[in-house]
Amino acid sequence: QVQLVESGGGVVQPGGSLRLSCAASGFTFNSYTLHWLRQAPGKGLEWVAFISFDGSDNYYADSVKGRFTISRDNSKNTLFLQMDSLRAEDTAVYYCSRYLIRGVPLDYWGQGTLVTVSS
Amino acid sequence: DIQMTQSPSALSASVGDRVTITCRASRNIASWVAWHQQKPGKAPRVLIYKASVLESGVPSRFTGSGSGTEFTLTISSLQPDDFATYYCQQYNSYPWTFGQGTKVDIK
Repeated sequence: QVQLVESGGGVVQPGGSLRLSCAASGFTFNSYTLHWLRQAPGKGLEWVAFISFDGSDNYYADSVKGRFTISRDNSKNTLFLQMDSLRAEDTAVYYCSRYLIRGVPLDYWGQGTLVTVSS
Repeated sequence: DIQMTQSPSALSASVGDRVTITCRASRNIASWVAWHQQKPGKAPRVLIYKASVLESGVPSRFTGSGSGTEFTLTISSLQPDDFATYYCQQYNSYPWTFGQGTKVDIK
């Protein structure tokens, strides 16, 4: 069955860095675009970043552009999010999800990993 | 960026009620809208995509409609399992954006 498992969350000071991972299984990883989304405590959903099936294209929300980098390793079925220059407003549960072009968007999500930016 | 304006932000309803949630896009997005349901402490679950297509395994009491800039999610007869928060989401163009959410609770 399809599984997406995030890891790498934790507590980090403002200005610090963190690298999230999302391990995927149960589907043809290199056929899907992949996405990071987040949800601040008590708030709504926010889309964060996208990467194409082969890693050649990406896109970011304005709120993270220039600070976050999305990447993928198709040989290891793993998605990454490098987060630098973290701010208090980046505190959220981070989810990974997938999309097959012209198919069902965000049909599977991971369980999420909590990132807390605090001094 | 495309703004998704969702209403209402919250509603109280009883089991068996018909519930309607509306989402308005800031520009024409054809039918590239999905609706997601989220329960506390859980990841969201997609209910509807391409404005009106029911995702596999989703009960038929959920229907989606609309195109262009106006979209609607309807629950024909609210069930106890449906008390949750609902989000519309456009995937017409990046950055993808969500509505603010509608929390459906028990009257």
